[in-house]
Amino acid sequence: DIQMTQSPSSLSASVGDRVTISCRASQSISSYLNWYQQKPGKAPKLLIYAASSLQSGVPSRFSGSGSGTDFSLTISSLQPEDFATYYCQQSYSLFTFGPGTKVDIK
Amino acid sequence: EVQLVESGGGLVQPGGSLRLSCAASGFTFSSYWMHWVRQAPGKGLVWVSRINSDGSSTSYADSVKGRFTISRDNAKNTLYLQMNSLRAEDTAVYYCARVNYYDSSGYPKKLYYYMDVWGKGTTVTVSS
Repeated sequence: DIQMTQSPSSLSASVGDRVTISCRASQSISSYLNWYQQKPGKAPKLLIYAASSLQSGVPSRFSGSGSGTDFSLTISSLQPEDFATYYCQQSYSLFTFGPGTKVDIK
Repeated sequence: EVQLVESGGGLVQPGGSLRLSCAASGFTFSSYWMHWVRQAPGKGLVWVSRINSDGSSTSYADSVKGRFTISRDNAKNTLYLQMNSLRAEDTAVYYCARVNYYDSSGYPKKLYYYMDVWGKGTTVTVSS
């Protein structure tokens, strides 16, 4: 089974900050990597698919990069509505989620 | 509007059974693979099960294999999850999700799968 890890597990940031979240797969998954945002009490929302493709309707301040085993999600200028938990997910073999990274207000 | 609506959650005793439903609307349900994902209180997302578009192929997480059964009725645009022999650790919000794909159109051809539509979830509590 493919295991996913994320770092950090949580971070505190201010509005306007550039934020980067890392995700690592236990084996190479090419670009089969997705990113989701989840707010408390809500369903997850797709942000990025195929490692770097922006889902329709998602602001361009979100970007994804990486391939193989190492990936990252970057928010170029953090907005108040971006405080949430972010999950990576591999789709190379079925689906596995990372443990999540909680972004809160500094 | 593309929509998924889960139902059927509730409180059940350990060892009991429950059937979850996920009603789809706004898209051609029979064309999409569907998944169940769960989230225990205060925890992360965990993939549970998937079914292909015509219902002929299914997969399960090891933690639910042999106890849960995924199925679908394309005539009713509805996905199901039959949960038997429930345990306390099955307590979670259960989401259904539609899987879409991106065709890279390169060579070799690659299809990148992702969950693009989610329901709001239904809560299952297993407790005596």
